[in-house]
This record gives sequence, C-alpha cells and structure tokens, in this order.
Amino acid sequence: GQNIDQPTEMTATEGAIVQINCTYQTSGFNGLFWYQQHAGEAPTFLSYNVLDGLEEKGRFSSFLSRSKGYSYLLLKELQMKDSASYLCAVMDSNYQLIWGAGTKLIIKP
Amino acid sequence: IAGITQAPTSQILAAGRRMTLRCTQDMRHNAMYWYRQDLGLGLRLIHYSNTAGTTGKGEVPDGYSVSRANTDDFPLTLASAVPSQTSVYFCASSDVEQGATGELFFGEGSRLTVL
Repeated sequence: GQNIDQPTEMTATEGAIVQINCTYQTSGFNGLFWYQQHAGEAPTFLSYNVLDGLEEKGRFSSFLSRSKGYSYLLLKELQMKDSASYLCAVMDSNYQLIWGAGTKLIIKP
Repeated sequence: IAGITQAPTSQILAAGRRMTLRCTQDMRHNAMYWYRQDLGLGLRLIHYSNTAGTTGKGEVPDGYSVSRANTDDFPLTLASAVPSQTSVYFCASSDVEQGATGELFFGEGSRLTVL
C-alpha cells in the first residue's frame, strides 16, 4: 500500500528553527508537496520538490531524497503565525496525490 | 478576487436527506477535485475531474456523486446522507495543462454535520 508518515505534533519556540520530516512509500513518484493549513482554513501551497536537494523560499526550505523516500520542511526564524498544520503529499505514478495526516506545529513565545 | 468558492460554508443535515455542495472556480483550471478531511487522517480524494465532461472516482467515492457540465462548476452530491459523512469537504482545482507542479488551489471548505 501507499503511505505517508509525518509526526502528529511538534512544539517549537518563537525565533527558533524547526524541521518537520516526511517519509513516504508510494507507487512511483512525480513530486512531493508541502502545504500549510491554519486551523479552520484551507490548505495553501508552500513548496514542491521533484529532484533531490534543497529548495529554499524565504524562511521556508524543503529537502528531498528520492532514494530514501524522505523529505523535510525547514522553518527558520519561527513566528507565532507559523502555528499551523503542515501537510506532506506525494504525487504517485498515476499523478494522484497521496496525503499525510499532517503535523500540527505549536509555536510558544 | 480569483479563486474557488464553496457553498454552503457550514450545514447541519438530517440523515437520509439529499445534499449538494457547490464549488465554482474562475481560474479556468481544467482539473477539479473533492476531498474530505477528518481528524487524524490525511485528505482523502472523493471524486475528481480532469476536464469538463469527465469525472473519476477517488479513494472514498461511495455515497457521493459529481458532475462536470462546464469548466467552472463541480458540485458534489450526497444522495442520502449518513452520519459517517460528517466531515469538512474541500474543493480544489489545478491547471494540469501547464503541467508544472500540479499545485492545488483550495476552496475555504464546507463543514457538514449529519445527525
């Protein structure tokens, strides 16, 4: 079967750095996505990785290792507004998205 | 503002009733999707449409139907609602013709409670 694993919840301090991991086992691979979802709101796109390596976008970076079936989302200089759930999703060989259950990130002052 | 509009935002429904969740997008995206999101689970695909006039079944299609008469609209119908269909429903679209990332754009969600 196909599955995406990510931690259920993480806590970090304002101003710090946090890394949210995602491991996956899917039928084929056509890219990995990270979405942010604030409580009661819709998911919004953060990043896309299809080749190995690090993609940096401001305070957020996403890393991919296809051989290890592994990705992480790195958030720097954490702000209170970064408190949200972070969803990892993989596009399989049929171009269907397989979603993880999401990681709830709690930022403390 | 361009985007996706869902209606209703929230609804309480008696079991056995018929319900249609509406979804309209003005981005001229070819592909549209309906997901449900339940606590502790990832987004689960109910139905999708790659282009107007075609639809397909997702991971959890039972009890739901969709239609895609035109590019903009993609309604989701529950023919006879059951309590297990209590969930938050998200409509989404993507521009598969650009083929790029397949980034999804989501509506604000419809919270449905079936009693």
